[in-house]
Amino acid sequence: QKEVEQDPGPLSVPEGAIVSLNCTYSNSAFQYFMWYRQYSRKGPELLMYTYSSGNKEDGRFTAQVDKSSKYISLFIRDSQPSDSATYLCAMRSNAGNMLTFGGGTRLMVKP
Amino acid sequence: GAVVSQHPSWVICKSGTSVKIECRSLDFQATTMFWYRQFPKQSLMLMATSNEGSKATYEQGVEKDKFLINHASLTLSTLTVTSAHPEDSSFYICSARDLTGAVSGANVLTFGAGSRLTVL
Repeated sequence: QKEVEQDPGPLSVPEGAIVSLNCTYSNSAFQYFMWYRQYSRKGPELLMYTYSSGNKEDGRFTAQVDKSSKYISLFIRDSQPSDSATYLCAMRSNAGNMLTFGGGTRLMVKP
Repeated sequence: GAVVSQHPSWVICKSGTSVKIECRSLDFQATTMFWYRQFPKQSLMLMATSNEGSKATYEQGVEKDKFLINHASLTLSTLTVTSAHPEDSSFYICSARDLTGAVSGANVLTFGAGSRLTVL
């Protein structure tokens, strides 16, 4: 079993839809949770960063962390075709220096 | 925010030659940089952790003599793919973290744009 599980998709939604992307993990030591967006043939770019449990909102993006369930989510409101990309969740512990990535979910937003 | 620059973004080489990829942190110092490899439609695989002034730490299964890493300064790490073969063709991505948090959050990992290597 992988440390971080993420549905690879592809997830196809119409423009304007609310998108829910999720990851589950098994290591209870993880404290830092991130979501990266990666366009084709580009490096990942950080979208959201959360420490420990709770919600964080930034524009159309909301990140949620439920440490009791070892489950994190990224919500995208009013999705746009430009949101079409692969979304990677990543996490690490307090002591660790390295990120553990999910496999990525490919999102397609159709106009 | 913090910026990591990677060069070249795209390189084609003949089998048996060596290729060097540079990773620079432009507005912060990075004592540690990370090198990843990504195959099409797959997630990032950590290859090695590059440490300024000391030897790199390689992940299991990564040949250190094949993938030479040098971290000579606080803003530059290089990955050299030696005697490249077609199976080394991949997307190589570096990343670094601004530990001071002066430019971005202290625990945020910033990625370069990646370097696509094609070995003929």
